[in-house]
Amino acid sequence: DIQMTQSPSTLSASVGDRVTITCRASQSISNWLAWYQQKPGKAPKLLIYKASSLESGVPSRFSGSGSATEFSLTISSLQPDDFATYYCQQYNSYPWTFGQGTKVEIK
Amino acid sequence: QVQLVQSGPEVKTPGASVKVSCKASGYTFTSYDINWVRQATGQGLEWMGWMSPNSGNTVYAQNFQGRVTMTRDTSISTAYMELSSLRSEDTAVYYCSRGKFTSGWSPFDNWGQGTLVTVSS
Repeated sequence: DIQMTQSPSTLSASVGDRVTITCRASQSISNWLAWYQQKPGKAPKLLIYKASSLESGVPSRFSGSGSATEFSLTISSLQPDDFATYYCQQYNSYPWTFGQGTKVEIK
Repeated sequence: QVQLVQSGPEVKTPGASVKVSCKASGYTFTSYDINWVRQATGQGLEWMGWMSPNSGNTVYAQNFQGRVTMTRDTSISTAYMELSSLRSEDTAVYYCSRGKFTSGWSPFDNWGQGTLVTVSS
C-alpha cells in the first residue's frame, strides 16, 4: 500500500497568513493526488485534484503543487472559514489512501 | 444538483451486520463510480472500497476483504455497503462518495452526509 504522510499534524496560524501543508507519498503517484477540507461533523470537500487542479467553486487562494512523491497545499491568505482539517489522498493505485490529516487552528 | 443521501444512524451488537444505503440524485447514477470511506471519531479517513454502478464491479480494501459487500440497485439509483461480523472498532461514520469523472482515476467530488454506525454490546 502507498503510505501518505502529511506535515505538520497541527498548524496554528492567523487570518491573513500564508500557510503550506506538505504531503509525501511512499512511492511515486505521478500527479494523482487530491486535497480535501473537512469541518467538524461534515463530510470532506474536494479542493484540489490531479495535484494542482482547482475544483469548481473553490476560492483561488487555495493552490496545489508537486508530483511523484512530494506535494503541497497552499492557502495564500488564510480566512476565518479555512480553519479546518485538511487531508491529502492518492488515487494512483488501490487501495486509495489518505494522509493522517492536518488541523489548521486559530493562533 | 448532485446529491447523495445516506440512511440513518445504526446501533448494532458485536457480530451483527449493517447495511448502509446511499441514494443518488441529480446525475446519471450508472455513469460515476461510488466509493465508501469511513471515519472513526476523532480519526482520519479510511477508504473501504469502490464500486462501478454500471457493471457492479467492486474493489475492496484488504482490511475489509471478506466482511464488506458493495452492491447497487440501478432502478432506484441507490448504492449499498454491507459490513458483517461487526466489532467495536467498526464504530465510525460511514460515507459514500462519487468519483468526479466518468472514466479513469477520480477523486471524490460529492459526498453523502455520513451514517454513524455504533457497535456496542
